[in-house]
Amino acid sequence: EVQLVESGGGLVKPGGSLRLSCAASGITFSIYSMNWVRQAPGKGLEWVSSISSSSNHIYYADSLKGRFTISRDNAKNSLYLQMNSLRAEDTAVYYCARDPWSSSSYWGQGTLVTVSS
Amino acid sequence: QSALTQPASVSGSPGQSITISCTGTSSDVGGYNYVSWYQHHPDKAPKLMIYDVSKRPSGISNRFSGSKSGNTASLTISGLQAEDEADYYCASYTSSSTWVFGGGTKLTVL
Repeated sequence: EVQLVESGGGLVKPGGSLRLSCAASGITFSIYSMNWVRQAPGKGLEWVSSISSSSNHIYYADSLKGRFTISRDNAKNSLYLQMNSLRAEDTAVYYCARDPWSSSSYWGQGTLVTVSS
Repeated sequence: QSALTQPASVSGSPGQSITISCTGTSSDVGGYNYVSWYQHHPDKAPKLMIYDVSKRPSGISNRFSGSKSGNTASLTISGLQAEDEADYYCASYTSSSTWVFGGGTKLTVL
């Protein structure tokens, strides 16, 4: 059974940092591109970042302005999102997703990040 | 990376058909056949309903169909059922090698 389990969310103060993780099981993690997508309270889905299977191609939403870094460890079947200089507007549920735009799309259940003083 | 434009809400009665539009630009929707549609129920993971404009993943009912004309993509749901009530989002690949979602459409089954 395919499983993507996000962790690392929580409450952080503005300006702080947080590292999200996504543990994959039941799939050959190393052959898939992975993405982070977020949803702020009461708002729509927003694409955050993507990373290719071998980490050769990495892209970010313009709105992040270099504050977030995506990475992966294929040996550990894990995806990461390092978030720095967090702002209130980064408050959201963060989903990791395998190839979300293809027939092999699969999403985790999400982890909540709250940025508040 | 402006969000794609979707109607905020649509509604229909059971058995009817509805269509949700998704308007972008020639740099996203109009430029590539990489438009996806997602169904999202509260507190659940989004579910892919359509990819590559009109393809259905395995297990998705043929009541769901997608199309595109110019810079506007559309999702049509026929034979509306109560369980179709959810938020629907479109997404498109862009000329910057990034992805952009629509603002979302709340579907109400009357």
